[in-house]
Amino acid sequence: EIVLTQSPVTLSLSPGERATLSCRASQSVGSQLAWYQQKPGLAPRLLIYDVSNRATDIPARFSGSGSGTDFTLTISSLEPEDFAVYYCQQRSIWPTFGGGTKVEIK
Amino acid sequence: QVQLVQSGAEVKKPGASVRVSCTASGYTFAYTIHWVRQAPGQRLEWMGWINVGNGKTKYSGDLQDRVTFATDTYANTVSMKLSSLRSEDTAVYYCTGPDPIASGNYFDFWGQGSLVIVSS
Repeated sequence: EIVLTQSPVTLSLSPGERATLSCRASQSVGSQLAWYQQKPGLAPRLLIYDVSNRATDIPARFSGSGSGTDFTLTISSLEPEDFAVYYCQQRSIWPTFGGGTKVEIK
Repeated sequence: QVQLVQSGAEVKKPGASVRVSCTASGYTFAYTIHWVRQAPGQRLEWMGWINVGNGKTKYSGDLQDRVTFATDTYANTVSMKLSSLRSEDTAVYYCTGPDPIASGNYFDFWGQGSLVIVSS
């Protein structure tokens, strides 16, 4: 099983600031990595797939980068609706998810 | 627009079974449905998938002895049955599916989730 480790666990920022979230895989997943956003009581929403491709209707302030074992999700300027939990997910073998990063209002 | 609508919350006793359904609408192509669960405070856990067109399934190694997926093609409904329930099966269960013309094989579409509580 490929284990995904996300850091930090919590990120405290203000609206307008830049958010940088990290996801590290226990072995290479190539470019088979996605990011999801989840708000309380709702299902996850796909943001980024194949490392850097934005899903349908996802704003340009969300971007992804990385390869192999180290990946980053960047939110260039936080909007009030961006405060949520973010998960990375790989599909190299069978799907696994990271433990999540909570982006909270400072 | 694809929509996935799931059945409601369930409360079950340890050792019992639970069935959660997921009704799909809006698909214009052959599709698979995956099941993902989220226990309180835990990460999302993939459970497996079913190909709605041919009924083929794949289950995660951790659950393959207790989980069964089925499909009712006429009703566009997929079900997930989990047997021999334990307290650690308490979770929100999601059906989810990829959009092969968008992300390809990630989870573009999600049901609203079905809470299953296992308690004596």
